[in-house]
Amino acid sequence: EDQVTQSPEALRLQEGESSSLNCSYTVSGLRGLFWYRQDPGKGPEFLFTLYSAGEEKEKERLKATLTKKESFLHITAPKPEDSATYLCAGGGSQGNLIFGKGTKLSVKP
Amino acid sequence: EAGVAQSPRYKIIEKRQSVAFWCNPISGHATLYWYQQILGQGPKLLIQFQNNGVVDDSQLPKDRFSAERLKGVDSTLKIQPAKLEDSAVYLCASRRLGGLRQANYGYTFGSGTRLTVV
Repeated sequence: EDQVTQSPEALRLQEGESSSLNCSYTVSGLRGLFWYRQDPGKGPEFLFTLYSAGEEKEKERLKATLTKKESFLHITAPKPEDSATYLCAGGGSQGNLIFGKGTKLSVKP
Repeated sequence: EAGVAQSPRYKIIEKRQSVAFWCNPISGHATLYWYQQILGQGPKLLIQFQNNGVVDDSQLPKDRFSAERLKGVDSTLKIQPAKLEDSAVYLCASRRLGGLRQANYGYTFGSGTRLTVV
């Protein structure tokens, strides 16, 4: 069965305190590993797609990496505006997305 | 490019009542998805359409949920009768054919409809 597991469920950081979010996946015929940001009351906002082990992508304070079984979202020197829920999803062969439960990130000033 | 439109934004109903949600995808997007997101969880696929045909409805509770996509454009999702556990945000997303080669699968999500069943 296709499965995506994220940890931790919640993460509280002080502004400037770097950390990482984990996503482990088992998705048959994986077509890509996706990271989304979701703010309260809004739909998921696309961040990154990773296609092969060893691939890395960066955007501002975020960097996503991929291995054969896991992906990490590294947050460097976070700011309060980075507070959100971060969702990881595996891409299925039909274009569907298999999501994890998300990590709720809170960054305190 | 206009986004994926959903309505209503919020709905509160009593259990055993019926409810319908509407989605207008981005023009030209052949594939349309309905996802259910229960509080504290990630979105779960309910049904996938390509044009006006169903590609995958394996996780749709067919005894109470139904969906249609008329003329391959707008879509409605209906729940009849609603249960307490149907309280969730219902997200619609659309994607153009061939979008699998794009960085985001070509996905665009709507803002969702928040359903509360009391």
